[in-house]
Amino acid sequence: DQQVKQNSPSLSVQEGRISILNCDYTNSMFDYFLWYKKYPAEGPTFLISISSIKDKNEDGRFTVFLNKSAKHLSLHIVPSQPGDSAVYFCAATSAISGNTGKLIFGQGTTLQVKP
Amino acid sequence: DTGVSQNPRHKITKRGQNVTFRCDPISEHNRLYWYRQTLGQGPEFLTYFQNEAQLEKSRLLSDRFSAERPKGSFSTLEIQRTEQGDSAMYLCASSSHSGGNYEQYFGPGTRLTVT
Repeated sequence: DQQVKQNSPSLSVQEGRISILNCDYTNSMFDYFLWYKKYPAEGPTFLISISSIKDKNEDGRFTVFLNKSAKHLSLHIVPSQPGDSAVYFCAATSAISGNTGKLIFGQGTTLQVKP
Repeated sequence: DTGVSQNPRHKITKRGQNVTFRCDPISEHNRLYWYRQTLGQGPEFLTYFQNEAQLEKSRLLSDRFSAERPKGSFSTLEIQRTEQGDSAMYLCASSSHSGGNYEQYFGPGTRLTVT
């Protein structure tokens, strides 16, 4: 049972344009969501997160939007740069006190930003 | 602090051998997680420690797998009688879950190849 899904395996955008990566989840207990970026042969690097009490969080070129009713979140990168080319993972967790906080990951989306 | 470190970075072993991996978390983090990632998939949760106590184990963690975190500092993950299906990237992450932040910070991973 895939509780977190990234339905687009890959995305290609032109440098300077917007990249939009999507993620859907099924478990209503998830209340904290994260995006990670991964280069080959490295561990995932934390990018940005959002709590379910918010619908938007912004950090520089990265913005995450959360639509709780649709159980959908997206990551916007503006403007996209060639160095953003990597695999992006969406992850979710339940931050309720007493929970372990383990992350449930999607399958990842490979972003290619062309110069 | 230089972040989460993992050793070795690569391990090639023959089927049936035992292997042990080490993770050194960020020093002030009391939470430590192990994940496994196979090609084309996102990381999958294996086990969780809060300080020295192992509080959750995934059903993915068969009896051949054991993890420890003595004194609540570094952690080890041992796989006994390795099988070809154990070939994967083993990732360690740590977090503090303080101030409403639930981000986990990952090490570079240990790539295991079972021949």
